[in-house]
Amino acid sequence: GAGVSQSPSNKVTEKGKDVELRCDPISGHTALYWYRQSLGQGLEFLIYFQGNSAPDKSGLPSDRFSAERTGGSVSTLTIQRTQQEDSAVYLCASSLAWGPYEQYFGPGTRLTVT
Amino acid sequence: QKEVEQDPGPLSVPEGAIVSLNCTYSNSAFQYFMWYRQYSRKGPELLMYTYSSGNKEDGRFTAQVDKSSKYISLFIRDSQPSDSATYLCAMSGEGYGGATNKLIFGTGTLLAVQP
Repeated sequence: GAGVSQSPSNKVTEKGKDVELRCDPISGHTALYWYRQSLGQGLEFLIYFQGNSAPDKSGLPSDRFSAERTGGSVSTLTIQRTQQEDSAVYLCASSLAWGPYEQYFGPGTRLTVT
Repeated sequence: QKEVEQDPGPLSVPEGAIVSLNCTYSNSAFQYFMWYRQYSRKGPELLMYTYSSGNKEDGRFTAQVDKSSKYISLFIRDSQPSDSATYLCAMSGEGYGGATNKLIFGTGTLLAVQP
């Protein structure tokens, strides 16, 4: 079946603008995760969804970052008033359910803030 | 000190060599251990998934976990140029981080297999 998909694949934006990144998880996967991958920082957890609720938002770096999930499927990560330090690859992963299940990643969105 | 330490490499080996990749960690709550392979400008691809201590083999890949030493390894036998990628270790624990099962990653080891 289809894997995790993300759009756009690349996004260049000016400092101060808002951006929305989209994730379509694997069909039937109820758990969804957002991570950020920066040079020298590795992969960092941002937020986790179980269904449409987000029990853990502890990785969101500031209140400029928010995310939602609708219909237990598609998720959108929004970054308001982007800063240059937000430049990174934003990766989405999904897993079958909450618990120690394998997480499968999408190809990521490469965000560049100029 | 990071929770998960991984040598960034780069590691260069000739085709056919046995490759050993390693991570150490500090949090004894970790119980689930994964290895991901990431090609340039692609998302991480799950290679191996193990629970607690022991070995797991899948084709040319073997994952080992030693919880007493807080040390995990990935061995690649008969390495191929197509194995050239960044290898990321990741781990999580039941109930860790508020029962999120979020993954904590190493920074990745860049592997180059020379033909």
